[in-house]
Amino acid sequence: DVKVTQSSRYLVKRTGEKVFLECVQDMDHENMFWYRQDPGLGLRLIYFSYDVKMKEKGDIPEGYSVSREKKERFSLILESASTNQTSMYLCASTLDRGRISYEQYFGPGTRLTVT
Amino acid sequence: DAKTTQPTSMDCAEGRAANLPCNHSTISGNEYVYWYRQIHSQGPQYIIHGLKNNETNEMASLIITEDRKSSTLILPHATLRDTAVYYCIVRVSGSARQLTFGSGTQLTVLP
Repeated sequence: DVKVTQSSRYLVKRTGEKVFLECVQDMDHENMFWYRQDPGLGLRLIYFSYDVKMKEKGDIPEGYSVSREKKERFSLILESASTNQTSMYLCASTLDRGRISYEQYFGPGTRLTVT
Repeated sequence: DAKTTQPTSMDCAEGRAANLPCNHSTISGNEYVYWYRQIHSQGPQYIIHGLKNNETNEMASLIITEDRKSSTLILPHATLRDTAVYYCIVRVSGSARQLTFGSGTQLTVLP
């Protein structure tokens, strides 16, 4: 079974703190994604990565950065947490784009509260 | 990606089949139909996908009409743990782009 794990299920941080969210997948997937999910706004892509050390901005990258030093690990960094970054953060991975069709596998999510 | 339309909510009795419809009348020839679900406070979970033939796996069956303008996800024996929001998505094959979920169908399985 594909497994995508995230470092924390629940996290509470203060405004201005630097926050690290870790994601690890065990299926040797090339592509990894970070989304945030908010009521009424659906799933929004923050950043994604097609390969080690490669990253591309999604729809809402402001206030975030990412790191992919190893294939299995994709980290999301909130440089200076703000209250509007309170959200559910979801990591996902999927096979290389060369496949005919493929599905995304999601982690359990991290519910981040910034106070 | 083509737009999809799903009912906002549905109820189903435990042990009965749950049939969740999805309309995708603007689907193009190279777009697959995918189903995901999201149980409250958990990450989305892939269920099944198909192009034009009916598909079945250990979780569900997917029935796609001949004109491909609509599909039905079938959970053959719904359990309380199947209570979730179910999302129908159409996507181009081989696409690594991000997923975009619509509002989905809230399925409630009743005891």
